[in-house]
Amino acid sequence: DTGVSQDPRHKITKRGQNVTFRCDPISEHNRLYWYRQTLGQGPEFLTYFQNEAQLEKSRLLSDRFSAERPKGSFSTLEIQRTEQGDSAMYLCASSPGAVGADTQYFGPGTRLTVL
Amino acid sequence: DAKTTQPPSMDCAEGRAANLPCNHSTISGNEYVYWYRQIHSQGPQYIIHGLKNNETNEMASLIITEDRKSSTLILPHATLRDTAVYYCIVRVNRDMRFGAGTRLTVKP
Repeated sequence: DTGVSQDPRHKITKRGQNVTFRCDPISEHNRLYWYRQTLGQGPEFLTYFQNEAQLEKSRLLSDRFSAERPKGSFSTLEIQRTEQGDSAMYLCASSPGAVGADTQYFGPGTRLTVL
Repeated sequence: DAKTTQPPSMDCAEGRAANLPCNHSTISGNEYVYWYRQIHSQGPQYIIHGLKNNETNEMASLIITEDRKSSTLILPHATLRDTAVYYCIVRVNRDMRFGAGTRLTVKP
């Protein structure tokens, strides 16, 4: 399968712990995005990378959140000192970086539960 | 990015065409119309997109009105597996702004 992959698919943690999620984009896609989705809502944009550069961050991305894409391939999203409000599905998407219509393809998501 | 309006829910009989409307009256000339769907607990799945012309692929057809203020996603022969939340998005910028979408239920 050559789609976007995310790991782990599910994570249960206790409040105050740190968690890290990984996203592997479609090969040769130079744009990578992170979204968060809470129950009953559509996905909300968190941040975006063009190759290894983080170019945009949402106000939703508090100081406890950090994302990296060190070599312009896979990306990690870390949440420090998790809170119960962080419980959500974290989605990763990638796109080729085309001019005009640049279609994003989503991974299966990582479901985080903070106890 | 322009805002979209979709009905919260729709039903469709299995085997019939499902026509999902979307209003985007404030769309700009360079904004594309995208459709995604999300089956429970999965990531959003890309369906189709268009700018001005109607588009068709193996999954669906997209009909965009001449003034581009609304569009309709057509699933020609809906199956039970098409039950999902369908999102209509208009964008030219990088991030996708998802609304609440339309929950389509295909019934036997």
